[in-house]
Amino acid sequence: GAVVSQHPSRVICKSGTSVKIECRSLDFQATTMFWYRQFPKQSLMLMATSNEGSKATYEQGVEKDKFLINHASLTLSTLTVTSAHPEDSSFYICSARTGGFTNYGYTFGSGTRLTVV
Amino acid sequence: DAKTTQPNSMESNEEEPVHLPCNHSTISGTDYIHWYRQLPSQGPEYVIHGLTSNVNNRMASLAIAEDRKSSTLILHRATLRDAAVYYCILRDDPYALNFGKGTSLLVTP
Repeated sequence: GAVVSQHPSRVICKSGTSVKIECRSLDFQATTMFWYRQFPKQSLMLMATSNEGSKATYEQGVEKDKFLINHASLTLSTLTVTSAHPEDSSFYICSARTGGFTNYGYTFGSGTRLTVV
Repeated sequence: DAKTTQPNSMESNEEEPVHLPCNHSTISGTDYIHWYRQLPSQGPEYVIHGLTSNVNNRMASLAIAEDRKSSTLILHRATLRDAAVYYCILRDDPYALNFGKGTSLLVTP
């Protein structure tokens, strides 16, 4: 089945630094990927949708200059948290859509636990 | 997106069947019913999906009411590894899945 690999699985960074999270589709081409954030005891919140070769579409309230998304190839999307602060500490999850417009599915990465100290 | 309603939590004994309900009274005719689950500290994983007919796969069964206003995810024999949050999501297009609060399933030995 379709596999999405997400790295790193956990990262600790100092406040003010930037962190990059990678999301790779291993055995399929993902034209569309999604990034979610999940705070403890809460559900997943969609942050943005990225399409290969074009700018990401951000959900309302998500700062595009803070959460930089790059989807330069059909197998790789990256999320960079710039100038991270403790309130950015969260569980970040990527997802890739598989299949076409009428017969599709979603595969998720295993998530990245970001702790900003 | 059409709204779904699920119980916050459910409990089951190991090796017993589990029926996880989902109400979706405002479902449209083209909405697919998707079920995903999230194990602790993991990303969600696909369980099953359907449109009108009941569906079976190696993980679970999905029973869809005739009027489609509700559905039930059935785990035939719960194991400790089935302890997770189960999400019932409606989607009629291939855009992002929007997750609600889901049902937290506790499986006791």
